[in-house]
Amino acid sequence: NAGVTQTPKFQVLKTGQSMTLQCAQDMNHNSMYWYRQDPGMGLRLIYYSASEGTTDKGEVPNGYNVSRLNKREFSLRLESAAPSQTSVYFCASSVRDGYEETQYFGPGTRLLVL
Amino acid sequence: AQSVTQPDIHITVSEGASLELRCNYSYGATPYLFWYVQSPGQGLQLLLKYFSGDTLVQGIKGFEAEFKRSQSSFNLRKPSVHWSDAAEYFCAALKAAGNKLTFGGGTRVLVKP
Repeated sequence: NAGVTQTPKFQVLKTGQSMTLQCAQDMNHNSMYWYRQDPGMGLRLIYYSASEGTTDKGEVPNGYNVSRLNKREFSLRLESAAPSQTSVYFCASSVRDGYEETQYFGPGTRLLVL
Repeated sequence: AQSVTQPDIHITVSEGASLELRCNYSYGATPYLFWYVQSPGQGLQLLLKYFSGDTLVQGIKGFEAEFKRSQSSFNLRKPSVHWSDAAEYFCAALKAAGNKLTFGGGTRVLVKP
């Protein structure tokens, strides 16, 4: 049981390049999330998927797209990377027990856009 | 707007001393509350969570947190810190029946020998 896994761990891009960040979970969770972490700002939600086949915008969706490929996988795509997208990206999945929901996080992807 | 505030950006504490990290939330109704810890270069690990019931919550690694509705606070405490507790700590809130976590800005803890 690996929990939430993310690939790659590190990536350097040039401005304008595209890339896809991959996330997978093996906990049979319905909901999955993408956050970015910037110094002093905590984590901010980019997109989330409440269930397979659905996606919704979070707080900072501009410049990103997502795909919920199946129940296990949720990818984040940068079509044309910008230096402002230099950040650490975290994927999470969540389990709901009645009204109580807990999110579990992956190890993160560190992205540098030059 | 819903928000979570961690007033202390950095805290330095001596090994063996007690630690308290502050967290305040601003929500229309009491949210669910969480504390996560992030060690350098690592992801976030859940320390503890509060949904309802007993306002003193026990977590992993010897941490506890106390929910105080009157102060809109959910402060994290540890009686005696270890060098391995040096990390960044995040408080987060989730609207009941919602699915969007709101994070505070984090508190970085440095442990002096």
